[in-house]
Amino acid sequence: EVQLVESGGGLVQPGGSLRLSCAASGFTFSSVYMNWVRQAPGKGLEWVATIREDGSEKYYVDSVWGRFTISRDNANNSLSLQMNSLRAEDTAVYYCARDRGYCSGGTCYAVFDYWGQGTLVTVSS
Amino acid sequence: AIQMTQSPSSLSASVGDRVTITCRASLGIRNELGWYQQKPGTAPKLLIYAASNLESGVPSRFSGSGSGTDFTLTISSLQPEDFGTYYCLHDHNYPLTFGPGTKVDIK
Repeated sequence: EVQLVESGGGLVQPGGSLRLSCAASGFTFSSVYMNWVRQAPGKGLEWVATIREDGSEKYYVDSVWGRFTISRDNANNSLSLQMNSLRAEDTAVYYCARDRGYCSGGTCYAVFDYWGQGTLVTVSS
Repeated sequence: AIQMTQSPSSLSASVGDRVTITCRASLGIRNELGWYQQKPGTAPKLLIYAASNLESGVPSRFSGSGSGTDFTLTISSLQPEDFGTYYCLHDHNYPLTFGPGTKVDIK
């Protein structure tokens, strides 16, 4: 059974740092892209970051560029999001999501088929 | 970045109704789009990928269509468990972008 379990959320002051983790099980972690998606209270979904299977490429939404770092440890089946210089607008539930991928006709598509339960990050003084 | 819009922002429909949600991209994205359903307090659930591919285990009353800039999610016969918010997500390039969501209520 595929499982994704986030941890590390909490209350942090503006300008502070926090590290989120996502423990993966039930699938070959090193074979899939992984992602972070967030949702501010009462708002819609926002894609935050993606990391390739081997960690060689990383992508970020502009609003977190230079402040957040996505990483993975394939030996321990874990995904991380290091968040620095946190702002009030970073307050959200953060989800990790597996992208199992789907390729057809020379095009590969993102398929976010499993999600964790989310961890709440609150940035406030 | 590619912007995604959805319409309507909310709707209320009766059980058995046919429901259509539209998603529009600011640039052509071929068929690089997925649909997700989210119920309050829970993680999103994948419904459709590559614009029209039904995810395994998702009821066949859900279908997706479209290409380029205009996409549609259709629920052929709305069921009580279909309440929630529906989001489109383009994966044409980075940054990926979700639509703002369409909230579906059951009358």
